[in-house]
Amino acid sequence: QKEVEQNSGPLSVPEGAIASLNCTYSDRVSQSFFWYRQYSGKSPELIMSIYSNGDKEDGRFTAQLNKASQYVSLLIRDSQPSDSATYLCAVRAAGNKLTFGGGTRVLVKP
Amino acid sequence: DVKVTQSSRYLVKRTGEKVFLECVQDMDHENMFWYRQDPGLGLRLIYFSYDVKMKEKGDIPEGYSVSREKKERFSLILESASTNQTSMYLCASSLGLAGDTDTQYFGPGTRLTVL
Repeated sequence: QKEVEQNSGPLSVPEGAIASLNCTYSDRVSQSFFWYRQYSGKSPELIMSIYSNGDKEDGRFTAQLNKASQYVSLLIRDSQPSDSATYLCAVRAAGNKLTFGGGTRVLVKP
Repeated sequence: DVKVTQSSRYLVKRTGEKVFLECVQDMDHENMFWYRQDPGLGLRLIYFSYDVKMKEKGDIPEGYSVSREKKERFSLILESASTNQTSMYLCASSLGLAGDTDTQYFGPGTRLTVL
C-alpha cells in the first residue's frame, strides 16, 4: 500500500467549475501537508501548505485537512484552462523528508 | 524568491559513463534534496543533505552518490550510468526550519537519457 494515495485522473472539469482533489495518507503522525502543481515537462511548484485541521484559503485555492480521517483535499474554484496540470500531494511525518503521491491530472475544458 | 538551478535541462549519456548533475540554490538553505520522477512511480527521494558534507540516503539510493562541499551546491553522481537511470531528476532545497513549516522548492529538472 502506497503511503500517499491520489486518484491519477484525469479529472475533467468545465471552465468556471470547482475542481476537487483528494489525497489520503497512511502515517498517522504526519504533521505537514503540501500541494504542488506541475505542468507537463516542468518542475513542481508549491501552491498550498496546511498544518492544522480545517480549511485554508489562498485565492481560488482551498486546502482542507482532516487528520482523524487521514485525508487532505484541494479545491480549485472558478477553474481556468491554465489550471490544467498535475497536482501532487506531499506529506511530511517527521524530519525533513516528504512523501509524494502519484499526482492527479486535472483537465479544465473551455 | 527562492531560486534553485540545475546545470542542464537535457542530458544524454552512454551506459557506463560517470554522470554529474549539479544543483545550486541561492537562498542559504540548509537542506537539499535529489529526487527522480518516473511515469507511474511519482517522485522518489534519492538522497538528501541537511548540512555541508552531511548526507542521508533516501528511498532509492542504489547506483547514486552525492556530494555537498559547499552549502549552496549539491551534486548527484551516477558512478556508472545504466539505462534504468533514464529519468527526470529534480533537485529541491528548504530552509531547514524546525517544526512543521519547512517547505521544499524545486529546480527546473534535468531530463537524463542513458543510451
